[in-house]
Amino acid sequence: QSALTQPASVSGSPGQSITISCTGTISDVETYNLVSWYQQLPGKAPQLMIFEVTKRPSGVSNRFSGSKSGNTASLTISGLQPEDEADYYCCSYAGSSIYVFGTGTKVTAL
Amino acid sequence: EVQLVESGGGLVQPGRSLRLSCAASGFTFDDYAMHWVRQTPGKGLEWVSSISWNSGSIGYADSVKGRFTISRDNAKNSLYLQMNSLRTEDMALYYCAKGGNGYNSAGFFDYWGQGTLVTVSS
Repeated sequence: QSALTQPASVSGSPGQSITISCTGTISDVETYNLVSWYQQLPGKAPQLMIFEVTKRPSGVSNRFSGSKSGNTASLTISGLQPEDEADYYCCSYAGSSIYVFGTGTKVTAL
Repeated sequence: EVQLVESGGGLVQPGRSLRLSCAASGFTFDDYAMHWVRQTPGKGLEWVSSISWNSGSIGYADSVKGRFTISRDNAKNSLYLQMNSLRTEDMALYYCAKGGNGYNSAGFFDYWGQGTLVTVSS
């Protein structure tokens, strides 16, 4: 149960697109289409942004999109806005009722 | 409106026990898997444990296996985490989270509580 690997920080100018990677193994990301992404604002509980690799819950901006290739999943934020500044975590199901989170990425709008 | 309210956190000495509870409302509790996730202050999220709708499927992180026990009472719309042999590294904010995939415990976490803080110190 090793944590999925994410970059510690990603930054971009307002209006730009940024992508956060999430690298796992064949035991989790590569095998299961059950990668989800969470946004955590300072002092708040995490909020679901993407589930099942590409799906967006109702109420989440379509500026957020997800994808996966092999053992790496990605979250793309298009048209970066100041309110997108937060910590982002990926998570993958790993079989047998087990999950693993990513190491987390701090997104900054320059 | 889905609400998840954790309780039971507090200060406990290493080696002692603590039981966390999560009161759920706003959805049909026994239709969904439930989960515990923790976060050390200033650090990342760590999945702790999951339980299916009927308690038939349960999973634990290696870091807590053999010490923590997850359970649920569908009649009371409540989730629990019994934590034994607590260690300083268990000190964290513990979140209760609702599974987003119905009966299937394999999925994601679509609603989270605000967390209850567990402090392990002598």
